[in-house]
Amino acid sequence: NAGVTQTPKFQVLKTGQSMTLQCAQDMNHEYMSWYRQDPGMGLRLIHYSVGAGITDQGEVPNGYNVSRSTTEDFPLRLLSAAPSQTSVYFCASSLSGAGNIQYFGAGTRLSVL
Amino acid sequence: RKEVEQDPGPFNVPEGATVAFNCTYSNSASQSFFWYRQDCRKEPKLLMSVYSSGNEDGRFTAQLNRASQYISLLIRDSKLSDSATYLCVVNPSGYNKLIFGAGTRLAVHP
Repeated sequence: NAGVTQTPKFQVLKTGQSMTLQCAQDMNHEYMSWYRQDPGMGLRLIHYSVGAGITDQGEVPNGYNVSRSTTEDFPLRLLSAAPSQTSVYFCASSLSGAGNIQYFGAGTRLSVL
Repeated sequence: RKEVEQDPGPFNVPEGATVAFNCTYSNSASQSFFWYRQDCRKEPKLLMSVYSSGNEDGRFTAQLNRASQYISLLIRDSKLSDSATYLCVVNPSGYNKLIFGAGTRLAVHP
């Protein structure tokens, strides 16, 4: 049972580089979201999507782009990486919204030098 | 003031102990509440939802106090495997997003 799959698990970038974090789910969930987790802070919502073709900003969207062309995939793009984006990134999905059980991917640990 | 606040701990307890965590939230119109568990360097996983009438799942009991805007988690007969960080999560009314607390760390020792 795959659930929510994130790739890569680890990544090191140089300042100014761009990259895409991949997230895929095989549960036919409508709602998908991206969070970042920093030490001493709760998970903070970056972007979310309530269905294919629909995305919206969360609490900390600056420096990140998303798209949702299919129900299964929700990639997160870092446009020009900055050291402040060093964090652990989690993708999550749920059946139909934030009020439902969230299933998380294993996370991507990103370091920006 | 943070939207969801938790005591970061750590709570260090012996096996068999009973331990309780509280969490306060600022949005009085919040409609859904959850406790998630996160093991070290792992993803969060749902522990239990929190209902207005309170609910129990084995050794775990969750309570909601809307008047005082806090939720609680009680763990009875603590096991070594309960060692983890417990995240308080709130879904504010009218918003399709979740607010996470920073977590309370529990360490159960022999």
